[in-house]
Amino acid sequence: QSVLTQPPSVSGTPGQTVTISCSGSSSNIGSNNVNWYQQLPGTAPKLLIYGNSQRPSGVPDRFSGSNSGTSASLAISGLQSEDEADYSCAAWDDSLNGYVFGTGTKVTVL
Amino acid sequence: EVQVVESGGGLVQPGRSLRLSCAASGFTFDDSAMHWVRQAPGKGLEWVSGISWNSGHIDYVDSVKGRFTISRDNARNSLYLQMNSLRPEDTALYYCAKGAWQYLANDAFDVWGQGTMVTVSS
Repeated sequence: QSVLTQPPSVSGTPGQTVTISCSGSSSNIGSNNVNWYQQLPGTAPKLLIYGNSQRPSGVPDRFSGSNSGTSASLAISGLQSEDEADYSCAAWDDSLNGYVFGTGTKVTVL
Repeated sequence: EVQVVESGGGLVQPGRSLRLSCAASGFTFDDSAMHWVRQAPGKGLEWVSGISWNSGHIDYVDSVKGRFTISRDNARNSLYLQMNSLRPEDTALYYCAKGAWQYLANDAFDVWGQGTMVTVSS
């Protein structure tokens, strides 16, 4: 059950900045941390951002996360060809007592 | 190296059972919550179940409640998912994921396995 809404796709040219939105509600994004995952083609997901805006060791600072109210955003600056992947947000939902993922966004580098 | 490796997937008929396993290594297993996340072919990620470090807190997505059971054996560094009454809609790649913290809520899935495929079909 995807209760977090993301745009199906975003695209940009190398070097550009793209932003992916993640819209939720007061029971998930509005009251809990948001994490972002990157899934390169044919591979397992990888944690990209945790706690709304923290980057795990090894994740380039080109990736940044933020949130406001019941929405969150992932920005990729200095877009590179290797950033072509699917990106998903996720958060704990207090009403469902479980995690909900976003619908996923495919990033294409033109 | 920190890693988790899933096993136990396969082709099963509707209504039958399957047990997935996840072997963890390279980290202190009983310091982490653990989770199962699935991905149906061509679809997005769906959290299935999670278990806290000491099995004191367990949760499931509504669609599997009463059919799936998550468990862990900290002595064996292993996570399990017993899946009963399987349905075609359970067909997916099942990932084992390590939690960054001990508890379920506000966790982050910081290590993922490569997944084990479960196909439910007659």
